[in-house]
Amino acid sequence: QKEVEQDPGPLSVPEGAIVSLNCTYSNSAFQYFMWYRQYSRKGPELLMYTYSSGNKEDGRFTAQVDKSSKYISLFIRDSQPSDSATYLCAINTGGFKTIFGAGTRLFVKA
Amino acid sequence: GAGVSQSPSNKVTEKGKDVELRCDPISGHTALYWYRQSLGQGLEFLIYFQGNSAPDKSGLPSDRFSAERTGGSVSTLTIQRTQQEDSAVYLCASSLAGVGYGYTFGSGTRLTVV
Repeated sequence: QKEVEQDPGPLSVPEGAIVSLNCTYSNSAFQYFMWYRQYSRKGPELLMYTYSSGNKEDGRFTAQVDKSSKYISLFIRDSQPSDSATYLCAINTGGFKTIFGAGTRLFVKA
Repeated sequence: GAGVSQSPSNKVTEKGKDVELRCDPISGHTALYWYRQSLGQGLEFLIYFQGNSAPDKSGLPSDRFSAERTGGSVSTLTIQRTQQEDSAVYLCASSLAGVGYGYTFGSGTRLTVV
């Protein structure tokens, strides 16, 4: 079993839709949870990070962590074509090594 | 520079040749990481440098892979006797010490072994 599981998609939605992206993980020691966005032929860029459980909101983006279920989510409200990218979840125990999910490809159609 | 710089951006090499990939991290970032990204796969950790400490090489897939970081700044990833399965995007990232800051990635080197 992989330490982080993420549905690779692709996920296609119309402009303005609410998008839900999810990951599950297996190690309860993970404490830091991050979401990266990667455009084609670019490196991933940090979108949001949360520590432990709870929600964090930043504009149209909300990150949610449920440690009891080992489940993390990223919600995108009022999705835009410019949100079309690959979204990678990433988790860390607090040490140097970050484990990345495989990434979900998102297409937002105008 | 303002970001992490990687060169070359693309590299096509023949099987059996050696290649060198370069990473220039953000000035002042003490931590530097190399990851490999294959199609449909997550980012695979390769190696980690932190300041003047010995690097963590636990992710290097074979002894054909090596990396060094000179003067706590520029890093070079070397792959000897390349194989077709080495074809991937090699990503470098740097960060301030502390996971909360997250990583800043370069745009990667796309390596194709033919």
